[in-house]
Amino acid sequence: DGGITQSPKYLFRKEGQNVTLSCEQNLNHDAMYWYRQDPGQGLRLIYYSQIVNDFQKGDIAEGYSVSREKKESFPLTVTSAQKNPTAFYLCASSRDPDNYGYTFGSGTRLTVV
Amino acid sequence: GQSLEQPSEVTAVEGAIVQINCTYQTSGFYGLSWYQQHDGGAPTFLSYNGLDGLEETGRFSSFLSRSDSYGYLLLQELQMKDSASYFCAVDSYSGAGSYQLTFGKGTKLSVIP
Repeated sequence: DGGITQSPKYLFRKEGQNVTLSCEQNLNHDAMYWYRQDPGQGLRLIYYSQIVNDFQKGDIAEGYSVSREKKESFPLTVTSAQKNPTAFYLCASSRDPDNYGYTFGSGTRLTVV
Repeated sequence: GQSLEQPSEVTAVEGAIVQINCTYQTSGFYGLSWYQQHDGGAPTFLSYNGLDGLEETGRFSSFLSRSDSYGYLLLQELQMKDSASYFCAVDSYSGAGSYQLTFGKGTKLSVIP
């Protein structure tokens, strides 16, 4: 079955360490997105990529970095510069950049201690 | 920038009808989407309105008025499994072939017997 795989589901890291969250899709979608979800805050866009080897900053990109070397993969690195990294991170994809029906992964809950 | 307003919580009785409203302010408006998210889970796409009017998908309907910057999600014949958070999301065009989906903070629906 096609879908988006995010791993791991739960991740613990020490403060000051960089950590990379994995996102892989086998839907053959062109566009991929990273959102952060905090309680009562909804989903906020971190980065998005509409095509391989290209990506754009979202609303809260500071302290994060991404790469899009393959169509299937869009990893997110949470750097030590991110002031409050503990959150639920969701990866999504869409067939085209203007396709509104996003498919989401099951998320990674990152806790920094 | 984009902003969306929706009620934070709604409670309704099993078998009843509930309406979740969403008002928005945005530039480059393209359409309004609705997503459902159960606790700890991934958001799933419910419906999309690109034009004014009502879209019906089974027990769920969604309405858009572009002139009023307003939309709503209507859930009929409520079931206990409909207890979840519901997000409206504005699809907007930001130029150079770039689209973004901006989410509201979500409405937590509790269905009671």
